[in-house]
Amino acid sequence: EDQVTQSPEALRLQEGESSSLNCSYTVSGLRGLFWYRQDPGKGPEFLFTLYSAGEEKEKERLKATLTKKESFLHITAPKPEDSATYLCAVQTSNDYKLSFGAGTTVTVRA
Amino acid sequence: DVKVTQSSRYLVKRTGEKVFLECVQDMDHENMFWYRQDPGLGLRLIYFSYDVKMKEKGDIPEGYSVSREKKERFSLILESASTNQTSMYLCASSLLIYEQYFGPGTRLTVT
Repeated sequence: EDQVTQSPEALRLQEGESSSLNCSYTVSGLRGLFWYRQDPGKGPEFLFTLYSAGEEKEKERLKATLTKKESFLHITAPKPEDSATYLCAVQTSNDYKLSFGAGTTVTVRA
Repeated sequence: DVKVTQSSRYLVKRTGEKVFLECVQDMDHENMFWYRQDPGLGLRLIYFSYDVKMKEKGDIPEGYSVSREKKERFSLILESASTNQTSMYLCASSLLIYEQYFGPGTRLTVT
């Protein structure tokens, strides 16, 4: 069974304090790993797709990386507007479906 | 930009009522999905559809059914709502195997 584990569950940062979120996965035949951002009371917003180990994607202060067993979402010099829950999901080669992790809730204080 | 819309943001229904949740996407995507999201349990797949009139059960289909008569529209039906179906319901669509785009969600309360 596919497993996706995100850590930490919650992260409190000072504005400008860079940090990383972890997503570890156990799947047979990874097709893609996806990162989403979710604000309270809203649907997840797509951020990145990573397909192979060594791949990196960047968007503003966010950078996602992928290894064979885990992915990291690095937040560089975060601002309060980066406060959200960040979800990781994996897709296997045999399926359209996504398996989601429980998410990391990031709070950035000014 | 992909747009996925859901018929209601908030809905309150009574136990035993039949409930329809509607989802529409405007990007001609083949695949559409229904999830529910609960604190501590994350997103769980209820049903998905890979083509018009085609559907497959997800991880938690019990108590739900779906309908996809047109490519852009995917409906989730609660035949007889129960209090344990109180949740946030999220619809998503995707082009083939690629990333899924989510709607704003419907927060359903069953009393």
